[in-house]
Amino acid sequence: EIVMTQSPATLSVSPGERATLSCRASQSVSSNLAWYQQKPGQAPRLLIYGASTRATGIPARFSGSGSGTEFTLTISSLQSEDFAVYYCQQYNNWPPLLTFGGGTKVEIK
Amino acid sequence: QVQLQESGPGLVKPSQTLSLTCTVSGGSISSGSYYWSWIRQPAGKGLEWIGRIYTSGSTNYNPSLKSRVTISVDTSKNQFSLKLSSVTAADTAVYYCARGNYGTDYWGQGTLVTVSS
Repeated sequence: EIVMTQSPATLSVSPGERATLSCRASQSVSSNLAWYQQKPGQAPRLLIYGASTRATGIPARFSGSGSGTEFTLTISSLQSEDFAVYYCQQYNNWPPLLTFGGGTKVEIK
Repeated sequence: QVQLQESGPGLVKPSQTLSLTCTVSGGSISSGSYYWSWIRQPAGKGLEWIGRIYTSGSTNYNPSLKSRVTISVDTSKNQFSLKLSSVTAADTAVYYCARGNYGTDYWGQGTLVTVSS
């Protein structure tokens, strides 16, 4: 099973600042990596797939990078609606299992 | 616009079987190269992938739950289902159904299932 580790667990950022979130895989997942945003009481929303491709309707301030075992989600200028929990997920073909990271909470500084 | 809706009992007794159904609307469950997943989230905790099914019937399950999980699909009803046997309090969570391909792009709103006597 591929283990996904996110850091930090909590990130305190002021509105307008840049946020950088990390996700590490225990073995290579190539670019089979997605990022999600979840707000309280809501289902997760797909932000990024293929490690760097924005999903439909996602603002350009969200960007993803990385491949293999190291991945980054960057929010270039935090808006009030961006304060939420972010999860990474690998969907590599082998083993045929999907696993989520533990999440990073982005909170207002 | 694809929509997913979970349905099923909100309360299940310990040792019994949890059964949920996901109804897909706005598109055929058989169209495209998608898989259909179940994911759960205990209160205040992270997301746990339970398993998935392709409309061919092929399934993959989380190894930690594999002995207790069955996911099935009914293409005639545009639905897929989850059965989780021998539940305990640790299975109390919000359960989501979702569509996946490259990432998981459509999610149901989630349904809370509580395991309690």
